[in-house]
Amino acid sequence: DADVTQTPRNRITKTGKRIMLECSQTKGHDRMYWYRQDPGLGLRLIYYSFDVKDINKGEISDGYSVSRQAQAKFSLSLESAIPNQTALYFCATSEQGPSSYNEQFFGPGTRLTVL
Amino acid sequence: DQQVKQNSPSLSVQEGRISILNCDYTNSMFDYFLWYKKYPAEGPTFLISISSIKDKNEDGRFTVFLNKSAKHLSLHIVPSQPGDSAVYFCAASARVYGNKLVFGAGTILRVKS
Repeated sequence: DADVTQTPRNRITKTGKRIMLECSQTKGHDRMYWYRQDPGLGLRLIYYSFDVKDINKGEISDGYSVSRQAQAKFSLSLESAIPNQTALYFCATSEQGPSSYNEQFFGPGTRLTVL
Repeated sequence: DQQVKQNSPSLSVQEGRISILNCDYTNSMFDYFLWYKKYPAEGPTFLISISSIKDKNEDGRFTVFLNKSAKHLSLHIVPSQPGDSAVYFCAASARVYGNKLVFGAGTILRVKS
């Protein structure tokens, strides 16, 4: 059973369309993250949330918005998709702890293509 | 300005030999380093980590070495196996930045049998 799930797994959309990517987790973690992966750039943080009432911008938040509907759910929206948002998107979760240790658990990813 | 750099996009190694993946960082505030492994069509999975107060951490065939003065870490896989073929991401975090992870670009490892 997957602990972190993402829907859809693949999506093709057109420029200007609104699209939502969803993430759910059964790990009971407070912290959730959205990343995008581009060739040669690794994973870059889009938004993160340390609890239901906490939303923070990451490195590349422009053009994106998020919603933390519950501890287990964190959605990423592209209000008006553009071609350079074509990428592989990952959701991740982690525990909240006192130390520097911060292992994150990733979902399987959503491959988004904007035409 | 990439704070975590993996300068080798790919590495090819013969089965049974050692694989060495390298990572450099620029931010001296980083106090924890992690390696993630990623197979195609899957999300990254945690492999091994090291605190900045240590210089070595070993877990089975995987060892991570940290050289703080050089701001360099490396992942050694001995012996390498075909199943180790994947993309390996180096990541760093700092408590002062809320422990958010900063990732390198990744290195594709191919282990030939």
